[in-house]
Amino acid sequence: EAGVTQSPTHLIKTRGQQATLRCSPISGHTSVYWYQQALGLGLQFLLWYDEGEERNRGNFPPRFSGRQFPNYSSELNVNALELEDSALYLCATRYQTGYNEQFFGPGTRLTVL
Amino acid sequence: GQQVMQIPQYQHVQEGEDFTTYCNSSTTLSNIQWYKQRPGGHPVFLIQLVKSGEVKKQKRLTFQFGEAKKNSSLHITATQTTDVGTYFCARVTGGGNKLTFGTGTQLKVEL
Repeated sequence: EAGVTQSPTHLIKTRGQQATLRCSPISGHTSVYWYQQALGLGLQFLLWYDEGEERNRGNFPPRFSGRQFPNYSSELNVNALELEDSALYLCATRYQTGYNEQFFGPGTRLTVL
Repeated sequence: GQQVMQIPQYQHVQEGEDFTTYCNSSTTLSNIQWYKQRPGGHPVFLIQLVKSGEVKKQKRLTFQFGEAKKNSSLHITATQTTDVGTYFCARVTGGGNKLTFGTGTQLKVEL
């Protein structure tokens, strides 16, 4: 069974540009979570999508947004990039209810110059 | 806020020594999960603790949940180089729908 996949692996952008990151869940997983892991700041919860809807978001500005598609894959969009957005962005997925374990993808390393 | 603090932040051990990381919360935890992230890798689920005073073992790893459900620990007996990585605890809220990760403990094992 394939794990959670993310693309691209690396992304280099300049300040003010937009970045789009993608995540494909494990088959049968309907919930998708996005986390930011910046150097020295640990794992910060960004967004949670389930059944195509945004269910919860962390303490991040509105320029961080995303969506979930009918096949449960997800996109994370970051607008008006700032230098401090440079981080590893991790996607995690899980079964919809009852089972709390999250399965993480390999991440997208975003560098903002 | 409902933070989860982990100590120590870093730990260097010689191979064969034991290692323990502690996770502390200011509020009662419904349950707690532990994850391991190898250098350059992504977090991988290790275990979930639910009951007060619960102890679970996975080979050389022992996980404990405090009686008051405000703290947890991970103990590794006789560390090996394969244990290198960062260990995170995570509080589970929102009916299992949100993880708030602790600050992590980075373990380095020297031969």
